[in-house]
Amino acid sequence: GAVVSQHPSWVICKSGTSVKIECRSLDFQATTMFWYRQFPKQSLMLMATSNEGSKATYEQGVEKDKFLINHASLTLSTLTVTSAHPEDSSFYICSARDELAASYEQFFGPGTRLTVL
Amino acid sequence: KQEVTQIPAALSVPEGENLVLNCSFTDSAIYNLQWFRQDPGKGLTSLLLIQSSQREQTSGRLNASLDKSSGRSTLYIAASQPGDSATYLCAVQGSQGNLIFGKGTKLSVKP
Repeated sequence: GAVVSQHPSWVICKSGTSVKIECRSLDFQATTMFWYRQFPKQSLMLMATSNEGSKATYEQGVEKDKFLINHASLTLSTLTVTSAHPEDSSFYICSARDELAASYEQFFGPGTRLTVL
Repeated sequence: KQEVTQIPAALSVPEGENLVLNCSFTDSAIYNLQWFRQDPGKGLTSLLLIQSSQREQTSGRLNASLDKSSGRSTLYIAASQPGDSATYLCAVQGSQGNLIFGKGTKLSVKP
């Protein structure tokens, strides 16, 4: 089956620093990738849709200048949390859609746990 | 705006029982519906995907049904095992391509 990786799997940083999270589709091409955030005991909430070669589409309430998304190739999207603060601590999960699959199924990465001190 | 609701929020059963998890959604205009499993602190494992034109999908001890017109899906787990303990998430995919998730059902199967 299709595999999506994320790196790093966890990160601890000081308040005010920036953190970059990578999402890769390992064995398929993904024109579209999605970034979700999950707070403790909550469900996943979509943050933004990442489109290869164009600007990302952000959900209402998500600051595009704080959560920078770059989708430079068909297998890689990155999310950079700029000037991170403790309230940004969360579980960030990406997904990628196999463009050649008729089912439009999304495949999820293992997630990145961000802790901002 | 699409909303996904899962009932119950938590469920505890003895090993061997058959059980049903429920998912409902408010907008029937969906492309597909997926059931996922999430273990504590981990990512998502896709269990079953049902296309909007399908009524059900089966994988091993799992069976998921979809009634799009009434906005409902059920996940049936047969002969539950302690290893089935996890949070089960239901998600629907709409025209924008993104998934909208329910809050999940936390399942505990006791030996």
